[in-house]
Amino acid sequence: GQQLNQSPQSMFIQEGEDVSMNCTSSSIFNTWLWYKQDPGEGPVLLIALYKAGELTSNGRLTAQFGITRKDSFLNISASIPSDVGIYFCAGPLGRGGGADGLTFGKGTHLIIQP
Amino acid sequence: DADVTQTPRNRITKTGKRIMLECSQTKGHDRMYWYRQDPGLGLRLIYYSFDVKDINKGEISDGYSVSRQAQAKFSLSLESAIPNQTALYFCATSDFPGRAFFGQGTRLTVV
Repeated sequence: GQQLNQSPQSMFIQEGEDVSMNCTSSSIFNTWLWYKQDPGEGPVLLIALYKAGELTSNGRLTAQFGITRKDSFLNISASIPSDVGIYFCAGPLGRGGGADGLTFGKGTHLIIQP
Repeated sequence: DADVTQTPRNRITKTGKRIMLECSQTKGHDRMYWYRQDPGLGLRLIYYSFDVKDINKGEISDGYSVSRQAQAKFSLSLESAIPNQTALYFCATSDFPGRAFFGQGTRLTVV
């Protein structure tokens, strides 16, 4: 299946700092998704992107669907302690836009130092 | 109560044993999925189902089977568990392509 390369693998930041992470694919996607996983929980959808060039916000989170359709970016502004967790990018496994399931990146582990 | 409920939450089993992981949902979604998560590897799709009569293999279906007993219930079975099936297993539902709602996971250890 498609491979998603997510970076960085982990981030150690101070509270209040802005965060940037990205994801690249070996193939073109028509949908990009960003999920967050808290310890002991399942992933939760943060942002869904459906159009190349699209920029979408959800509170302090902003994600962009790259023009090449092979990458996506997630930014978190003014990080707070509850932002700690693992962030995953994801895209459709098949041609069903995600209905056939998702392929996930390996995740970016965000750690906030007091 | 959780919309997507997985049981058990934790399970330790011996190599060669048959084990079933269960998932039930109250969201009324037709699409259901089973994923496996290994440390540092993200989530990988095992099986998915669009309705009771529609079951499809995912990326890593070998060694697993599923049953869709009803719209709300989707179970995953390991016919003969082996240690490399030790992982965190997630059930998910979806109402729109890409938009998945995950359960809290089942941590399975095969010894």
